[in-house]
Amino acid sequence: EVQLLESGGGLVQPGGSLRLSCVASGFTLTNYAMTWVRQPPGKGLEWVSTMSGSGASTYYADSVKGRFIVSRDTSKKTLFLQMNTLSAEDTAVYYCAKHSTAVVPAAMDYWGQGSLVTVSS
Amino acid sequence: QSALTQPASVSGSPGQSITIPCTGASSDVGSYNLVSWYQQHPGKAPKLIIYEVSERPSGVSNRFSGSKSGNTASLIIYGLQAEDEADYYCCSYSVITTLVFGGGTKLTVL
Repeated sequence: EVQLLESGGGLVQPGGSLRLSCVASGFTLTNYAMTWVRQPPGKGLEWVSTMSGSGASTYYADSVKGRFIVSRDTSKKTLFLQMNTLSAEDTAVYYCAKHSTAVVPAAMDYWGQGSLVTVSS
Repeated sequence: QSALTQPASVSGSPGQSITIPCTGASSDVGSYNLVSWYQQHPGKAPKLIIYEVSERPSGVSNRFSGSKSGNTASLIIYGLQAEDEADYYCCSYSVITTLVFGGGTKLTVL
């Protein structure tokens, strides 16, 4: 059974950093693209970042480019999102999602339960 | 990065059918059959209900259907049921932004 479990969220001050983790089970990370999607409180979904199944390609939304880094540790079956220089606009529930193939355009067929990041002083 | 355009809300009575449009551009919806739709109930994670414009994942009710014409994709829900009340999001591959979501549509079953 495919499962995605996010962790690492919490309260952080503006300008601070946080690293989210997403532990994957039931499939092999290298066979599927993985994406981070966020949802500010009461608002819609926003694509944040994607890593291809090979790990060779990463993509970022303009709103996080240069501040966020997606990475993974295949031995730990874990996807990461390093978030730096955080601002209030980054406050959201962050979901990790698995694509149905190794390439980016495929749909996201499994989602984690989400991890809340709150940026506030 | 402009989001795909969806109506903020739609409503229908049980048994009726509704359509949720999702309008993009030639850089996304119009050029690629890579539109997917997600259903999200309050406090829950999104769930894939349509991929590649009109394909249904295993286990998703055949009351959900998708189509596309030009730069606009559509989700059609037939025979509305109370459990269909949720937020719905379209998503497309984009040659400019990689992936782009619609703003979301709140479906109310009257």
